[in-house]
Amino acid sequence: AQTVTQSQPEMSVQEAETVTLSCTYDTSENNYYLFWYKQPPSRQMILVIRQEAYKQQNATENRFSVNFQKAAKSFSLKISDSQLGDTAMYFCAFMKAAGNKLTFGGGTRVLVKP
Amino acid sequence: DVKVTQSSRYLVKRTGEKVFLECVQDMDHENMFWYRQDPGLGLRLIYFSYDVKMKEKGDIPEGYSVSREKKERFSLILESASTNQTSMYLCASGRGAYGNTIYFGEGSWLTVV
Repeated sequence: AQTVTQSQPEMSVQEAETVTLSCTYDTSENNYYLFWYKQPPSRQMILVIRQEAYKQQNATENRFSVNFQKAAKSFSLKISDSQLGDTAMYFCAFMKAAGNKLTFGGGTRVLVKP
Repeated sequence: DVKVTQSSRYLVKRTGEKVFLECVQDMDHENMFWYRQDPGLGLRLIYFSYDVKMKEKGDIPEGYSVSREKKERFSLILESASTNQTSMYLCASGRGAYGNTIYFGEGSWLTVV
């Protein structure tokens, strides 16, 4: 079974600054996908970024980027130039390559302060 | 845009009541999921369905059942609601494997009193 751990329950950051969220996972799989999902106060979860384990290059989506360390089983999310709209819960999630289910971490609440 | 719609956003039910949570998706996805979200625990999978009338237990199926009679609709059933089932319930849908995006509904807040 896979487990996903997010060690930071809450983080705050000033607008325009950078914040990094940690995620570690445990799996015996060699091929898999990792995701960061965002859940704003309105509650609809949306996909922020996806990483394929067999790709060494770290994924980037605009101000969001990841640091994927496969050997260390670490998958952190960096939010650059934080905006007020980035205030949300962020969930790290794992999916086996041939699977269809997500396993989630406990979440990190991010508060962006003006 | 993909739409996953949960029919009830907020419900208050009494202990012992039978509760139905309905979910509809409009993208012809094979897979549909019910998750439960609790603070500090993240999202935990209750059940998922990979086809009409097909289902698999997730990590916390006890006290729940599901129904998928049509491809676009997936229902979560609490046969006899208990106070420890007070939670946020999230429905999701997606295509098959290989990292395809899973899309979520807005969630249903259930309070059992």
